[in-house]
Amino acid sequence: DVKVTQSSRYLVKRTGEKVFLECVQDMDHENMFWYRQDPGLGLRLIYFSYDVKMKEKGDIPEGYSVSREKKERFSLILESASTNQTSMYLCASSEVDRGSEQYFGPGTRLTVT
Amino acid sequence: KNQVEQSPQSLIILEGKNCTLQCNYTVSPFSNLRWYKQDTGRGPVSLTIMTFSENTKSNGRYTATLDADTKQSSLHITASQLSDSASYICVVSVATGGGNKLTFGTGTQLKVEL
Repeated sequence: DVKVTQSSRYLVKRTGEKVFLECVQDMDHENMFWYRQDPGLGLRLIYFSYDVKMKEKGDIPEGYSVSREKKERFSLILESASTNQTSMYLCASSEVDRGSEQYFGPGTRLTVT
Repeated sequence: KNQVEQSPQSLIILEGKNCTLQCNYTVSPFSNLRWYKQDTGRGPVSLTIMTFSENTKSNGRYTATLDADTKQSSLHITASQLSDSASYICVVSVATGGGNKLTFGTGTQLKVEL
């Protein structure tokens, strides 16, 4: 079974803090994704990586950066957390075809106070 | 603009009853359509996938239909169970020059009650 794990289920951070969200997948997938999910807005793509050290901006990259140093690990970084970044963050991975099934992690609920 | 709209936004049904969730999309060019189930506090899990040439796909008590002409899909749940309580998300894959891109609906929140 594909397994995508995220480092934390719940996080509470203060405004201005630097926040790291970690994601690890065990299926040797080429693609990895970071989404945020907000009520009434659905999932929105923040960043996408199709290979080690490669990344593409998604629909809402502002305020975020990513790092992919190893194939199995994709990190989302909030350089200076703000209250409007309070959200559920979901990581996903898929095979090389971006239209193929995405396997999601359990999510990290981040609260910025 | 590529959009995926789902209805109803939320739904409450009694255990054992059937229900149908709707998805309308305007994305183009269409590649495939998936229905995902997201339990509370968990990530979405794929239920079905349909390509342009497929008009129905089943997965146990879940049956998805696709009308590519009208750009509509439905997810029918038969003999609902309490464990069907979840959010159901319609996701359409758009073929672009750089590979497929996903457009997500906002989901239908289903609650199954005794």
